[in-house]
Parts: sequence; C-alpha cells; structure tokens
Amino acid sequence: GDSVTQMEGPVTLSEEAFLTINCTYTATGYPSLFWYVQYPGEGLQLLLKATKADDKGSNKGFEATYRKETTSFHLEKGSVQVSDSAVYFCALGGSGSARQLTFGSGTQLTVLP
Amino acid sequence: KAGVTQTPRYLIKTRGQQVTLSCSPISGHRSVSWYQQTPGQGLQFLFEYFSETQRNKGNFPGRFSGRQFSNSRSEMNVSTLELGDSALYLCASSPRGLDQETQYFGPGTRLLVL
Repeated sequence: GDSVTQMEGPVTLSEEAFLTINCTYTATGYPSLFWYVQYPGEGLQLLLKATKADDKGSNKGFEATYRKETTSFHLEKGSVQVSDSAVYFCALGGSGSARQLTFGSGTQLTVLP
Repeated sequence: KAGVTQTPRYLIKTRGQQVTLSCSPISGHRSVSWYQQTPGQGLQFLFEYFSETQRNKGNFPGRFSGRQFSNSRSEMNVSTLELGDSALYLCASSPRGLDQETQYFGPGTRLLVL
C-alpha cells in the first residue's frame, strides 16, 4: 500500500541555518504530495503542495520539489527562524476519488536563537 | 472565509462512555475527512464523507462511526470508549474543482479517556 517515510527527528538548528527534512514515498500512480506544519496545541496547516512530477511547491520561504525518479519530496528552507519551530508532516494524496492522506511520522524542528 | 471549526476543543470521558464530535467545513466544501492523531500511531485516516455518503473508510473498529448532514457539517461518534481512544481528532475539508485533493484542517478535538 501507499506509505511515506520521513526523516526522524528531532532536528535542532540555530537561527538562519539551512533546513532539509527528507521525505520519500511509495505509491501506485502519481499522487499529489503535501507538507503540513503543526504548531503546539493546534491542527495541521497546509505549508505547500505539488501535484505532478517536477512541480515545485513553495510558501513562506519553504520549498519542495516532486521528484518521481527518486520518489522524494524533501522540504528545504534557506534560513530558518525561531518561529519555524513546529512539527512538519509529509503526506501523500489519495488516488481516484479517495481523499485520504497518508502521513509520515512527523519531524519535530526546534530553532534556537 | 472562515476555516474548519471543530467542537468541542477538549473533552474528558470515562471508559465505556460514548462521545460525539462535530465539524463544520469551510463554506462551499462538501468533502469532510476525519483523522486520529496519537503519539504512538501518528496520523491515521478514519473516514471521508461527501454529499452525506461515506466514500472511504480507514482501518478502525466499528465503534467509530460518522455521518454528514445536508449542510456538509459532519459528526463522528465513538461508542464504548477505551483508554486507547485518547487522541487528537482532526477534521479536514476539501473543495471541489482543481484543488479537490487538498485538505484543510481544523484545530482538532482533544479527547482524554480515563
């Protein structure tokens, strides 16, 4: 079945450091890919998405490129801020009419001033 | 537009009781999905409703059920609560059209079973 493997955390970085969170997936067909972020005590917020191979999603300085050949969707940010501290989830969209998302295990990011 | 709203935000129940959680989707969204989030199992899909019909279901026991009303609001019910049902329950809605695969989440209902 479909699955998402996400980089284990926690990740601790200093402010202005470069961030990479790895995400690889297994799926039939060509699903959409998503990154969601969860701040303490809150639900999930959509960070970015890509719907087909070679698409790049971007938002708030974060980027991820849909790589079909490596089945990956790594999240990157050039310069993190303390306010980026949160849990990040990579997710795989459903196929056909199925709307279910398959999530990775989440990566806790802490950014220190 | 207002986001997805969920009520109540927090709930404490005891084993054996039942609970009903409510979700109001973003205006115009007709698809509503439910997820359970726990530290051990992560985020797991419960079910999805579209136009008052369950369209997709995850691998949960029959104690977990849901429904959707004609205004797209949805409820989920858990009967005979177990300690392991303690979790954050998240509702998400999806629009029609080009963005239909994107799910927008509410703040969740945190359920504690004692």
